[in-house]
Amino acid sequence: GAVVSQHPSWVICKSGTSVKIECRSLDFQATTMFWYRQFPKQSLMLMATSNEGSKATYEQGVEKDKFLINHASLTLSTLTVTSAHPEDSSFYICSARGLADGNEQYFGPGTRLTVT
Amino acid sequence: GDSVTQMEGPVTLSEEAFLTINCTYTATGYPSLFWYVQYPGEGLQLLLKATKADDKGSNKGFEATYRKETTSFHLEKGSVQVSDSAVYFCALSGGGSNYKLTFGKGTLLTVNP
Repeated sequence: GAVVSQHPSWVICKSGTSVKIECRSLDFQATTMFWYRQFPKQSLMLMATSNEGSKATYEQGVEKDKFLINHASLTLSTLTVTSAHPEDSSFYICSARGLADGNEQYFGPGTRLTVT
Repeated sequence: GDSVTQMEGPVTLSEEAFLTINCTYTATGYPSLFWYVQYPGEGLQLLLKATKADDKGSNKGFEATYRKETTSFHLEKGSVQVSDSAVYFCALSGGGSNYKLTFGKGTLLTVNP
């Protein structure tokens, strides 16, 4: 149980275009979803926290107009990287927790974004 | 704020060697502590956790004990295997309304046959 999927697993896009990444909880209802960014050989940086049906809470230094997060249902959250640039190339990972999970999060497999 | 400091490595061991990866933390209150593992090209998987002082988390031969007096949660395994090669992250969750995780920088472990 507690499986989280991400789609796509990797994507290459041209500079200036927008890319949408989906995060789904497959077998539980995710009341909270988290989006992280991971640079090569570095730790995970929390970008934002989203609760179903409400606006995401962004961490300091994360541009909310560039990284649009939508958590429209209890099983789906999306991250849209708008007007992507090469510096946005990274590994994006989502995680989710259900109402009864306390502080345990379940992680998706990640999405590798390359902007050319 | 909350923070996690872990041995950065990289750590290179021979198969069947003993493993220790140190992790210490700073947090207000009584956080829960976690070890996550990330295999090459994959997302994070929860390896083990402990939610209160003196708890021992264990899984797949790995163990870590929540030591409040030393604010530590060191990861140990008595005999590593090649398949244990991965990046290991120590993390804490202070609770709060959203249960945010704070991660250490990760430790790359390579086990040679």
